[in-house]
Amino acid sequence: GQNIDQPTEMTATEGAIVQINCTYQTSGFNGLFWYQQHAGEAPTFLSYNVLDGLEEKGRFSSFLSRSKGYSYLLLKELQMKDSASYLCAVLRANDYKLSFGAGTTVTVRA
Amino acid sequence: ETGVTQTPRHLVMGMTNKKSLKCEQHLGHNAMYWYKQSAKKPLELMFVYNFKEQTENNSVPSRFSPECPNSSHLFLHLHTLQPEDSALYLCASSQAAGTTPSGANVLTFGAGSRLTVL
Repeated sequence: GQNIDQPTEMTATEGAIVQINCTYQTSGFNGLFWYQQHAGEAPTFLSYNVLDGLEEKGRFSSFLSRSKGYSYLLLKELQMKDSASYLCAVLRANDYKLSFGAGTTVTVRA
Repeated sequence: ETGVTQTPRHLVMGMTNKKSLKCEQHLGHNAMYWYKQSAKKPLELMFVYNFKEQTENNSVPSRFSPECPNSSHLFLHLHTLQPEDSALYLCASSQAAGTTPSGANVLTFGAGSRLTVL
């Protein structure tokens, strides 16, 4: 089965850095994905990691450690528009379907 | 139209009604999905269609009935629903389902249909 944990809520100040952690326990693993979802909108794809290490995309970076069952999403130079829910998802090894965590709601304050 | 489009965006129905949710993707993808999103809960995978064939029915009650007439369209037919079925229903598509490379499984979501069952 899949067990994916991430914090429920985080608050940070505009211009700061926030790190959203995601831990997972799965019977198989084929990649970890991060999605952003603004209230009332569709989740949008941010990044995915298959191998260990850091993937950087502008202000957003994602890190993976497969041996530790751990990933984080790093948001730098926070902007008000970054206030959203961030979803961690694991691609199952047996059937390549995505299992999602409950999401972390990030609130950016001025 | 681009991306994944869902209609209606909002739906209120009684427990005895029959309604349908519609999803259309303009991305040339071969796989389409229905997910259920309830407050503070993980997205729940309901159904998967890969090249128009249903490849997953995640123990969904029979009051939800999917239909995939072609790779671009997906429907979710609803009948005799319960109040606990009230949720956001998200449609998604990907290049393919259940295959490598992992990137082919990246989902593009629609904005969802907010369903309220009275």
